[in-house]
Amino acid sequence: DARVTQTPRDKVTEMGQEVTMRCQPILGHNTVFWYRQTMMQGLELLAYFRNRAPLDDSGMPKDRFSAEMPDATLATLKIQPSEPRDSAVYFCASGLGQNTDTQYFGPGTRLTVL
Amino acid sequence: AQSVTQLDSQVPVFEEAPVELRCNYSSSVSVYLFWYVQYPNQGLQLLLKYLSGSTLVESINGFEAEFNKSQTSFHLRKPSVHISDTAEYFCAVSDTGRRALTFGSGTRLQVQP
Repeated sequence: DARVTQTPRDKVTEMGQEVTMRCQPILGHNTVFWYRQTMMQGLELLAYFRNRAPLDDSGMPKDRFSAEMPDATLATLKIQPSEPRDSAVYFCASGLGQNTDTQYFGPGTRLTVL
Repeated sequence: AQSVTQLDSQVPVFEEAPVELRCNYSSSVSVYLFWYVQYPNQGLQLLLKYLSGSTLVESINGFEAEFNKSQTSFHLRKPSVHISDTAEYFCAVSDTGRRALTFGSGTRLQVQP
């Protein structure tokens, strides 16, 4: 049963600390998306990659967030320095790259910044 | 750019009653439409999608949605709900150019016994 995996599932950190979230897309999927879910803003796209290249990161605060795909099996989202307003659930999703395609979501990383 | 509006943030309903979750979208180009479901503490799962062809699409667990281009709507319906349908439901769109999804704010369906 192919699934998107995310680590850690929960992260509590203090303001100013660096946070790294990891995502393993489904094998063979060439598109990876990062979304953030909060009560106030709902689900927002942060960034997405196709064939490891960033296609759109306009939803991501550039000064503190960075997203990369070191290889086809790993996507990372880093926040440095973290702030309380970054507290949210961060979802990774993967797909086959077509806009008609189903996106498969991971279980999310719940981030709490104190 | 697109936007999605889900007018109902919460919909309480009794078990075995019918339900409709409303979704309206706005876009200057053709779109593809999706409904995703999120169970507590889980990621989103695709429920159904409209790409082309028949405007009525169905899921394997009894939900259906109808694409209405003139009303720019994609409402989700089920004739008889179960307790296990309790979850949050998100309507989403993607367009021909941008592969990422734009989500609505979600509707929490609460099925009561």
